[in-house]
Amino acid sequence: AQSVAQPEDQVNVAEGNPLTVKCTYSVSGNPYLFWYVQYPNRGLQFLLKYITGDNLVKGSYGFEAEFNKSQTSFHLKKPSALVSDSALYFCAVRFRPFSGGYNKLIFGAGTRLAVHP
Amino acid sequence: SAVISQKPSRDICQRGTSLTIQCQVDSQVTMMFWYRQQPGQSLTLIATANQGSEATYESGFVIDKFPISRPNLTFSTLTVSNMSPEDSSIYLCSVGVPLYNEQFFGPGTRLTVL
Repeated sequence: AQSVAQPEDQVNVAEGNPLTVKCTYSVSGNPYLFWYVQYPNRGLQFLLKYITGDNLVKGSYGFEAEFNKSQTSFHLKKPSALVSDSALYFCAVRFRPFSGGYNKLIFGAGTRLAVHP
Repeated sequence: SAVISQKPSRDICQRGTSLTIQCQVDSQVTMMFWYRQQPGQSLTLIATANQGSEATYESGFVIDKFPISRPNLTFSTLTVSNMSPEDSSIYLCSVGVPLYNEQFFGPGTRLTVL
């Protein structure tokens, strides 16, 4: 079955330190991978995506993610965390080309990132 | 990116009543989706609402409980019918933009059923 796993419910990081939020997926075929962030009382905001090409993709707010096909992972990273990065982060996967037809975005359970001063 | 607004932003409703949530997009989009996010949970797709066709519901969701309208390319409604406390969730509208292979979300409607 197609699925997305975020193995950590919460990640705690000190401000200024690098952060990693993990995501792995189970898929048949070529996935499109996404990260979204949800701040309290707000909707989901798109951070970045991997479609094809360079395995390291850069997104909003200084975040980046690395696609690793052999490990079926797409971990979110940032070199230096900010307190304002504290939020709920969702990894998501789409398994079909996004043109016509029906394409379902599958979400992981979410990881709460807490950045401490 | 598409700018999506939802009304209402939040509501408190009584058991047995119905609530209609509106979703407005600032550009014409073919693919619209409705998601539910239960407290402390991830997002679950309720249905896909493409203009000009009947909504397609995911397993566990039925039209009688969650009727959807899609009258044009910029607007959709989701009705939560005969509500119970288990329907207390955030309901999010989402649109797909094939050109950028992206999907954008509205701010959500926070529903509490007493």
